[in-house]
Amino acid sequence: GAGVSQSPSNKVTEKGKDVELRCDPISGHTALYWYRQRLGQGLEFLIYFQGNSAPDKSGLPSDRFSAERTGESVSTLTIQRTQQEDSAVYLCAIVEGRASYEQYFGPGTRLTVT
Amino acid sequence: SQQGEEDPQALSIQEGENATMNCSYKTSINNLQWYRQNSGRGLVHLILIRSNEREKHSGRLRVTLDTSKKSSSLLITASRAADTASYFCAYLGGSNYKLTFGKGTLLTVNP
Repeated sequence: GAGVSQSPSNKVTEKGKDVELRCDPISGHTALYWYRQRLGQGLEFLIYFQGNSAPDKSGLPSDRFSAERTGESVSTLTIQRTQQEDSAVYLCAIVEGRASYEQYFGPGTRLTVT
Repeated sequence: SQQGEEDPQALSIQEGENATMNCSYKTSINNLQWYRQNSGRGLVHLILIRSNEREKHSGRLRVTLDTSKKSSSLLITASRAADTASYFCAYLGGSNYKLTFGKGTLLTVNP
């Protein structure tokens, strides 16, 4: 969606390797989310960032997953020692404005672990 | 699971017909949203309905919300081939920021 870019668009990696996925949101957003979407499924919440508050990491499936946000801009999602079940599309979304609930999504990164 | 459920899972109609998709959820909610996902434009927000609203319109879209039945419906009138996509409901329940998404309805509009 407008205002959120993600890179790479596609990533193929071997089982056991680490991967880093990047989200570049527009400036001025108030919140940033990461989601995972397995083939044919809905979105699974992974992590939420807002301002200087501690992120909500309750959706991260294991300690192999971590995410950080630089200031109030770029965010990276890192998956260590990738497994085949990590194969999915990883989506970043932002919220603009403090009274807004609509989320604006990036195009996603399709991760394939072989 | 707190996940919402869409019904039907898949729907195939002819261009010009109306399409109705339903969503059920399990918690009390602040608002409910509908999103569309297709390969061309990714995941896009369509419409939001607040818990104190019963019906909302946006162009060819009509959303209803029945909080007593914990259900919502999305109606697309005069469908077009370009409406072919997956449609997801998502709601804020038990949190003021964490959306719970359903599994989606795959709509195919045949020309």
